[in-house]
Amino acid sequence: AQSVSQHNHHVILSEAASLELGCNYSYGGTVNLFWYVQYPGQHLQLLLKYFSGDPLVKGIKGFEAEFIKSKFSFNLRKPSVQWSDTAEYFCAVNVYGNNRLAFGKGNQVVVIP
Amino acid sequence: DTAVSQTPKYLVTQMGNDKSIKCEQNLGHDTMYWYKQDSKKFLKIMFSYNNKELIINETVPNRFSPKSPDKAHLNLHINSLELGDSAVYFCASSKEGMNTEAFFGQGTRLTVV
Repeated sequence: AQSVSQHNHHVILSEAASLELGCNYSYGGTVNLFWYVQYPGQHLQLLLKYFSGDPLVKGIKGFEAEFIKSKFSFNLRKPSVQWSDTAEYFCAVNVYGNNRLAFGKGNQVVVIP
Repeated sequence: DTAVSQTPKYLVTQMGNDKSIKCEQNLGHDTMYWYKQDSKKFLKIMFSYNNKELIINETVPNRFSPKSPDKAHLNLHINSLELGDSAVYFCASSKEGMNTEAFFGQGTRLTVV
């Protein structure tokens, strides 16, 4: 079945640690890829997106993600997290001709001061 | 100005009641969506409308009926509410097609008691 997979649903780390969240999708064809962040009690906000071109994309708040087509992956990274990065992170895929944004199950990230 | 706005933000109601959630976007987008986020934070698409026409209708009970009076509005009406309907409902909008991101509303937290 077509899906978006995010592993390690719960991530706990200390401030200044590096963060990497994995995202794999099983859709073929042309895709758009996104990472959204949801801070506690808030709505989803776009962190970064990949449409085409350079597979390494930079987003807001020091986040970046790398699209590896051969691995169907779009992993999110941040070299040094802050307490304010505590949030739920969602990977999402838009497949050409599908008219929908499919989400992974999310990663709950808790940064300890 | 709020790009995608939903009302109400919170909704507490008894089982068996009928309720509506309204959504409006001022971005000039053609496509609007309703997503349901359950207690485990999983986001699942419910409906998608493009230029007032229903495009996607996922496996959602027919107690849920979306209505799009114009392309800037997509309302969600729920009949005979059940306990399992308790969730956060997010409205979103995007331009039609690929290479476009979705913008989300603030969410409506529905609690059925």
